[in-house]
Amino acid sequence: DAGITQSPRHKVTETGTPVTLRCHQTENHRYMYWYRQDPGHGLRLIHYSYGVKDTDKGEVSDGYSVSRSKTEDFLLTLESATSSQTSVYFCAIRSGQEKNIQYFGAGTRLSVL
Amino acid sequence: QKEVEQDPGPLSVPEGAIVSLNCTYSNSAFQYFMWYRQYSRKGPELLMYTYSSGNKEDGRFTAQVDKSSKYISLFIRDSQPSDSATYLCAMSGGGNNRLAFGKGNQVVVIP
Repeated sequence: DAGITQSPRHKVTETGTPVTLRCHQTENHRYMYWYRQDPGHGLRLIHYSYGVKDTDKGEVSDGYSVSRSKTEDFLLTLESATSSQTSVYFCAIRSGQEKNIQYFGAGTRLSVL
Repeated sequence: QKEVEQDPGPLSVPEGAIVSLNCTYSNSAFQYFMWYRQYSRKGPELLMYTYSSGNKEDGRFTAQVDKSSKYISLFIRDSQPSDSATYLCAMSGGGNNRLAFGKGNQVVVIP
């Protein structure tokens, strides 16, 4: 699992509530990524980070924010969860500057009711 | 046109058959090509990666890249029920910090 831990692994929440997902890595990788995976859409990039306090948007960033105050932790926040954000969320780290080979965590299954 | 096209399948084969999967892409800057395997309710795991054109073999798995045709393939020989999973292609290059993924191809190997 490339030293990646996602928490929680499962969460059920209600529309309008804030939700924070955590990704923790133990190998000091500079780049970290948040994806969501939905049937028919595959993996889609939400946000990524290229260092502490350095983040950038992905293709589906609306409704999501991220923070990285330490190298090992990358947080994904849904400020006000909507049913369209029901999905499986994966965190990934990038191995190597040039190769951009990514290794994924086990995922967080989020249901917004 | 999407950057990466992958037929989502599903693909059902009998045990022992050869599985053939492929992706096409449009960005000529891509140089690194990866295949991920994802079991149900698990995260994607890196299966193989290749740099530029050519073949790479790892046990029963062979990855091929044809940059001139913008086409990559994954072959699984002597397929086993444990190979039943979704296979995603991914690629990167040109200084981009992102990976471009195919949508994934579900494979079922029938005992």
